[in-house]
Amino acid sequence: QVTLKESGPVLVKPTETLTLTCTVSGFSLSNARMGVSWIRQPPGKALEWLAHIFSNDEKSYSTSLKSRLTISKDTSKSQVVLTMTNMDPVDTATYYCARLDSSGLFDYWGQGTLVTVSS
Amino acid sequence: DIQMTQSPSSLSASVGDRVTITCQASQDISNYLNWYQQKPGKAPKLLIYDASNLETGVPSRFSGSGSGTDFTFTISSLQPEDIATYYCQQYDNLPPGSITFGQGTRLEIK
Repeated sequence: QVTLKESGPVLVKPTETLTLTCTVSGFSLSNARMGVSWIRQPPGKALEWLAHIFSNDEKSYSTSLKSRLTISKDTSKSQVVLTMTNMDPVDTATYYCARLDSSGLFDYWGQGTLVTVSS
Repeated sequence: DIQMTQSPSSLSASVGDRVTITCQASQDISNYLNWYQQKPGKAPKLLIYDASNLETGVPSRFSGSGSGTDFTFTISSLQPEDIATYYCQQYDNLPPGSITFGQGTRLEIK
């Protein structure tokens, strides 16, 4: 059974760095043709893809947020970590991690974690 | 970056109606287009992949078509449980590539 679970702070202050962890089970982060993405959704708004990382460590970032994002993985811990620097209230959102097939579909999603940016 | 224009942004229809949502890509994406359903408070769920393939377990009233830049998502006979927001999603040059979601279509029952 494939599962993904996000963890991290529920509240961060403006200018701080957000660190989110996605812990996966039911598949290995070393599986060929598989990756993990981070996607966010501000309250009442659309989904926004942020970044993904593949089993061979290839990474890709949203052009608009690239300067603020870093994605990494620890295969032994089955974890994918996303850091986002210089947080702002507009970054308030539910952050999801999802399994990405190399054919481009998200077949499994975490439940999401709401992060609020406020002083 | 490839932009996805999804329309309409909201839609009200009656049970049994045929519902159509469109998604237009800013450049040719072949059939690299997926459709998701998101219910309030839940993560999105994959319905259609590669423009026209029905994900396992998804009811056959859902379908997708198109290629290149223009895509269509259809519910042949709207059911009350279909109330949700629907998103298209394109993928480009994976791996590593990039991904874009449409702006979503909120579907309501009349």
